[in-house]
Amino acid sequence: GQNIDQPTEMTATEGAIVQINCTYQTSGFNGLFWYQQHAGEAPTFLSYNVLDGLEEKGRFSSFLSRSKGYSYLLLKELQMKDSASYLCAVRPPSPDYKLSFGAGTTVTVRA
Amino acid sequence: NAGVMQNPRHLVRRRGQEARLRCSPMKGHSHVYWYRQLPEEGLKFMVYLQKENIIDESGMPKERFSAEFPKEGPSILRIQQVVRGDSAAYFCASSPPGQGPLKENIQYFGAGTRLSVL
Repeated sequence: GQNIDQPTEMTATEGAIVQINCTYQTSGFNGLFWYQQHAGEAPTFLSYNVLDGLEEKGRFSSFLSRSKGYSYLLLKELQMKDSASYLCAVRPPSPDYKLSFGAGTTVTVRA
Repeated sequence: NAGVMQNPRHLVRRRGQEARLRCSPMKGHSHVYWYRQLPEEGLKFMVYLQKENIIDESGMPKERFSAEFPKEGPSILRIQQVVRGDSAAYFCASSPPGQGPLKENIQYFGAGTRLSVL
């Protein structure tokens, strides 16, 4: 089975940094994805980690520790447009492709 | 390159009617996935299809729900005799062919169809 946990809500100030944690307990692992979803819109791909370590992409970074079943998404220099839901998803071993999603973390950025 | 296109964006049905949700994958993508999202819950996998084949329907209810991805045209998720509990956002995603831990297996999502059952 799959169990993926992330906080429900987080609030931060414009220009600050926010770290969204995701822990998972899954039967098999072949990568972890982070998606951003604005209300009423499509989830959009942010990052993918399959090996341990930090992946940096501009203001967003994602970290993975497979031994701990743990990932985080780090958002730096927060902007108002970063207010959205952030979804953590785990992919099982190939050839299975279906993603298992956490419930999402709603981030609110305040001026 | 257009993204994943879903229509309609909003669909209202009365109990007992049929709902048909359409999904056109990104150009070059041959894998289609359907997910359902209930309020305050994560996306839940329903079905995975390739052209003319259902690969995995383990997340789809056995009754009233069906999916297809014909050789020509969009993928269709069909819900017969809808009930109030079917009210949700239904998302389609697509990915290119390939296996293994490659970035090319990223699933790209459409904007969803919000189904409301009265």
